[in-house]
Amino acid sequence: GQQLNQSPQSMFIQEGEDVSMNCTSSSIFNTWLWYKQDPGEGPVLLIALYKAGELTSNGRLTAQFGITRKDSFLNISASIPSDVGIYFCAGQLNGGSQGNLIFGKGTKLSVKP
Amino acid sequence: ETGVTQTPRHLVMGMTNKKSLKCEQHLGHNAMYWYKQSAKKPLELMFVYNFKEQTENNSVPSRFSPECPNSSHLFLHLHTLQPEDSALYLCASSQQPNYGYTFGSGTRLTVV
Repeated sequence: GQQLNQSPQSMFIQEGEDVSMNCTSSSIFNTWLWYKQDPGEGPVLLIALYKAGELTSNGRLTAQFGITRKDSFLNISASIPSDVGIYFCAGQLNGGSQGNLIFGKGTKLSVKP
Repeated sequence: ETGVTQTPRHLVMGMTNKKSLKCEQHLGHNAMYWYKQSAKKPLELMFVYNFKEQTENNSVPSRFSPECPNSSHLFLHLHTLQPEDSALYLCASSQQPNYGYTFGSGTRLTVV
């Protein structure tokens, strides 16, 4: 089946640092979504991207829909402690059964000891 | 209440028990989903309901039985589960054909 390769799997951040993560796929998607999941909670939608090349910001978060429609990245600028959590990318094709989201395995953000 | 509500938040059950997970969405969405989240695995889609009709069953074992009585409610009936079924079970809803799922907080299931 379709798979998304999300990297890195985990990373440690120091407050104030910028963070970058990305997702790639062998399939073309019409929509890319980025979610964050806090411990014990469900994923929460951060950013949705609907057009190739689209660059969208949500506060300190910026995400881009790759031109090839096979990749997306998420940047977090000036990280703060509450940014820790697991970030998931998700891709979606058209409606029907193909409209279901395909999720990456997640990038776990932790604070540097 | 707003959003997607799941109950219970935590459930411990024996392998011979029967239990049900409940999901309710207050968003007026027309599609609802069950996902399974295990450690170090991607979110696994289990079932999809569009307008109360099941449109996808991702080869889920029959010990998991979904029910969607209306577009706002979704249940997952569990019976004779195995320890490897222990996971976080997430419900989500969306407005098809638009995109972006809203997730509930999940039910942490432990099978003993």
